[in-house]
Amino acid sequence: GQNIDQPTEMTATEGAIVQINCTYQTSGFNGLFWYQQHAGEAPTFLSYNVLDGLEEKGRFSSFLSRSKGYSYLLLKELQMKDSASYLCAVCSNDYKLSFGAGTTVTVRA
Amino acid sequence: IAGITQAPTSQILAAGRRMTLRCTQDMRHNAMYWYRQDLGLGLRLIHYSNTAGTTGKGEVPDGYSVSRANTDDFPLTLASAVPSQTSVYFCASSKTSGEPYNEQFFGPGTRLTVL
Repeated sequence: GQNIDQPTEMTATEGAIVQINCTYQTSGFNGLFWYQQHAGEAPTFLSYNVLDGLEEKGRFSSFLSRSKGYSYLLLKELQMKDSASYLCAVCSNDYKLSFGAGTTVTVRA
Repeated sequence: IAGITQAPTSQILAAGRRMTLRCTQDMRHNAMYWYRQDLGLGLRLIHYSNTAGTTGKGEVPDGYSVSRANTDDFPLTLASAVPSQTSVYFCASSKTSGEPYNEQFFGPGTRLTVL
């Protein structure tokens, strides 16, 4: 089975940095995805990591450590529009995604 | 059409009724998926299709059925709805199903309430 854990909620101030952690135990590993989901909307793709290390994409970065079963999503220079849920998803041996419950980030002025 | 569409947007349904949720994509993606999203549980895979003509069971398939007659359409049917099927349903598609990097694109969702 799959076990993916991430914090339920986080709050940060506009302009600050927030790090969302994700730990996983899965049957096989073919990469880890991060998705963003605004309230009432569909999830949209943010990042993909399959090798250890940091992937940077503008204000968002994602890190992976396969040996530790750990990833984080780093959001820098937070903006109000970054208030959303962030979903960690692991691609397992059968190439299907297993999702964590999501972390709701609230950005305050 | 651009991307994935789902219909209806929302529906209130009496328990015991039959309901089909529609999903259409125009990206010529081979793989399609149905998820349900419940508070505190995240997205859970109901059924999937790796290519037209094939389907498979996901994590929570009981009470649901799917068909994939062509590349574009992937309807999800609840044969006899029960209140525990109250959820938000998302359809998704990806270019392929057998590669590690396989970004899934999601439809806007259907909010279903079973009374």
